[in-house]
Amino acid sequence: GEDVEQSLFLSVREGDSSVINCTYTDSSSTYLYWYKQEPGAGLQLLTYIFSNMDMKQDQRLTVLLNKKDKHLSLRIADTQTGDSAIYFCAESSMNTGFQKLVFGTGTRLLVSP
Amino acid sequence: NAGVTQTPKFQVLKTGQSMTLQCAQDMNHEYMSWYRQDPGMGLRLIHYSVGAGITDQGEVPNGYNVSRSTTEDFPLRLLSAAPSQTSVYFCASRGTGETQYFGPGTRLLVL
Repeated sequence: GEDVEQSLFLSVREGDSSVINCTYTDSSSTYLYWYKQEPGAGLQLLTYIFSNMDMKQDQRLTVLLNKKDKHLSLRIADTQTGDSAIYFCAESSMNTGFQKLVFGTGTRLLVSP
Repeated sequence: NAGVTQTPKFQVLKTGQSMTLQCAQDMNHEYMSWYRQDPGMGLRLIHYSVGAGITDQGEVPNGYNVSRSTTEDFPLRLLSAAPSQTSVYFCASRGTGETQYFGPGTRLLVL
């Protein structure tokens, strides 16, 4: 079945760029998502990319997709303390009719002043 | 639009008790789903529904029942709660687009 993996923790200083990485296994056409979860809160969709794209930029967020290596990254420019949260990578595949989301374990981002 | 709403926000149960977690959406979405979130394991799909009257199992369905009698509501039932069901439960819905919208979650503690 599909699998999504992420590193568990990332620490950066305010103003630096953060890069959160994710790998996935599905070979079919896939949507790949980044969600943000603040403490005690639900999941907020940040951005998503379809597997036929290489890059997507949305304000401070840049998503890069390496289809050959099945590697996805989320770059946050000018990281702020308010960006401290858990970031989840998730994918939904054509194999499941795009019905199911498979999540990574989440990367905890800590931004220090 | 209220989006996806969940009740209760927090619940404590004793082992063996039953309860229903409520989920409702006002976006006329056909697809709804339930996930549980456990530390270090991300979110895992419990059950999902592609429309009223249609439900199917996800990755971790054991111990949970669902039904979908209306488009708006998708309750999750625990018939006999176990400590292993202590978790945070999220409901989500999706329309015809690619985006799933999540509710705020229900924190469940089973003693």
